[in-house]
Amino acid sequence: SQQGEEDPQALSIQEGENATMNCSYKTSINNLQWYRQNSGRGLVHLILIRSNEREKHSGRLRVTLDTSKKSSSLLITASRAADTASYFCAYSGAGSYQLTFGKGTKLSVIP
Amino acid sequence: DAGITQSPRHKVTETGTPVTLRCHQTENHRYMYWYRQDPGHGLRLIHYSYGVKDTDKGEVSDGYSVSRSKTEDFLLTLESATSSQTSVYFCAISDEGTGELFFGEGSRLTVL
Repeated sequence: SQQGEEDPQALSIQEGENATMNCSYKTSINNLQWYRQNSGRGLVHLILIRSNEREKHSGRLRVTLDTSKKSSSLLITASRAADTASYFCAYSGAGSYQLTFGKGTKLSVIP
Repeated sequence: DAGITQSPRHKVTETGTPVTLRCHQTENHRYMYWYRQDPGHGLRLIHYSYGVKDTDKGEVSDGYSVSRSKTEDFLLTLESATSSQTSVYFCAISDEGTGELFFGEGSRLTVL
């Protein structure tokens, strides 16, 4: 399987702290994306980083990409209880229309 | 919210019966996808479509077929449902093949 892996599988933090999630993948990629899923809902796109980019910001989100290590990280700063959700990385290989998803990190932010 | 709806949202059926899940979009996006989500596996791609009547297999396509006769509709069919197909099924759409995906709310299927 070419499925990516997120680390950690679960993360529990206090409100106001930063949360960092990591994603590793196995192939060369076009881009890497992060999605969020609230319990019982569909996934929502957060941010996309292209293979020629190293870092990207969106509000309280910061994503890094290291293609030499085939890894990415998602940092959520100043977390809020509303950030409680599962977070997934997803990536596409060169010439592919398919997005492969990782298994997700379940984040719990305690008020 | 992207105009994407899945039906039915919940279904319970018995082993061996046929099941069809429907995904309908109002965005006129070219690409449509069916994923299944299972504990410990995350999301896995079943089939996808890159245009009317243009479909291809994903990672876990065995036991599933799809059809896309109109831009707005993408159907997923389980010809003879098995208990291993109990899952939550998500449809997604995209304007670009490897761009941002917009997801439906999911269809929870239980095969007894």
